[in-house]
Amino acid sequence: EDQVTQSPEALRLQEGESSSLNCSYTVSGLRGLFWYRQDPGKGPEFLFTLYSAGEEKEKERLKATLTKKESFLHITAPKPEDSATYLCAVQYPKAAGNKLTFGGGTRVLVKP
Amino acid sequence: DVKVTQSSRYLVKRTGEKVFLECVQDMDHENMFWYRQDPGLGLRLIYFSYDVKMKEKGDIPEGYSVSREKKERFSLILESASTNQTSMYLCASSFYQPQHFGDGTRLSIL
Repeated sequence: EDQVTQSPEALRLQEGESSSLNCSYTVSGLRGLFWYRQDPGKGPEFLFTLYSAGEEKEKERLKATLTKKESFLHITAPKPEDSATYLCAVQYPKAAGNKLTFGGGTRVLVKP
Repeated sequence: DVKVTQSSRYLVKRTGEKVFLECVQDMDHENMFWYRQDPGLGLRLIYFSYDVKMKEKGDIPEGYSVSREKKERFSLILESASTNQTSMYLCASSFYQPQHFGDGTRLSIL
């Protein structure tokens, strides 16, 4: 069964304390890996798409990287406004249509 | 910017009622999706559509149906609402990838 696993489930950081979130998936050759940010009571907001191992994308304090079996979302010197749930999703090779499989998310809390 | 609009932010219905959740997108996207999001279970795909009048079952279609009569509108229907359908429902649309989400409807079935 196609699965996406995110770790840790929750992360508490002090402002300025850099850390990384992990997203692992079960097969290689995926068609795309997507990172989203979700604030409480809102829908997921698209952040990054990664397609091949070695690829990296950056946006402000966030940097996403991809290997053959996992992706990392690095948060550098986080601020309280980076507090959110970060979701990872994978489009598997045999997925019908443009179906995505989502991980359970990592809840990030950045304290001032 | 892509805009996906869900008709209600909060909805309270009774067991056995027929419930309609509406979603509209303004980017002429072919693909539209309905998910539900529950604590500890993440986002699970209910149904998706890749064209007008076309629909495909997702991972958890039981108890739901959908309608797509116009390209911009995708409706989720709970035929006979049950308490285990209390959840956050999210609609998304895409041309190919990525999917863009609305802000969700929090549905409570009493």
